[in-house]
Amino acid sequence: DGGITQSPKYLFRKEGQNVTLSCEQNLNHDAMYWYRQDPGQGLRLIYYSQIVNDFQKGDIAEGYSVSREKKESFPLTVTSAQKNPTAFYLCASSTGGTDTQYFGPGTRLTVL
Amino acid sequence: DQQVKQNSPSLSVQEGRISILNCDYTNSMFDYFLWYKKYPAEGPTFLISISSIKDKNEDGRFTVFLNKSAKHLSLHIVPSQPGDSAVYFCAASKHFGNEKLTFGTGTRLTIIP
Repeated sequence: DGGITQSPKYLFRKEGQNVTLSCEQNLNHDAMYWYRQDPGQGLRLIYYSQIVNDFQKGDIAEGYSVSREKKESFPLTVTSAQKNPTAFYLCASSTGGTDTQYFGPGTRLTVL
Repeated sequence: DQQVKQNSPSLSVQEGRISILNCDYTNSMFDYFLWYKKYPAEGPTFLISISSIKDKNEDGRFTVFLNKSAKHLSLHIVPSQPGDSAVYFCAASKHFGNEKLTFGTGTRLTIIP
């Protein structure tokens, strides 16, 4: 089955700890994205990568870091510098040259 | 600065009737528009898209209309079904192929049986 997987579905961490969210796709898509969704708000872009070993900051990159060592994987690290890390995090991917993005099921991160 | 706006946070429609969801944008550089549907605690699923060279695109029960002069698009769902109850997001991108999407804040659609 082709698709995007995010794990885990729910994640709890103590304040001050870094945490890494997983995103894997087997769609052979070149581009991958990370968004966060907060209640009453749209999806806001954190980071995106259009090709392996390259990525760009989105609109709200502060306190986050990413890597893109493999085409299939785009992990997101929420660092202790992120002031309000509790949110629903969504990963997406798209094939080159099209703007239609396909989303994973999301990870809800709660920082206690 | 919210470049893509969905001014109605919620909408209730009787089953079988037409649902109309609206979206406005401010950036005239946007030339590709998409609608996504999202259930709680799940990722959005792509519904339908339209490029700025068209003013209408239809896919089954879903039709998207684009009015470039008014910077307005709408999604029509007819007939509405209970499974259509979800949050709908519109999104826009500049220069088709750029791949960066700007999302609206969403409209929660409730279909009343």
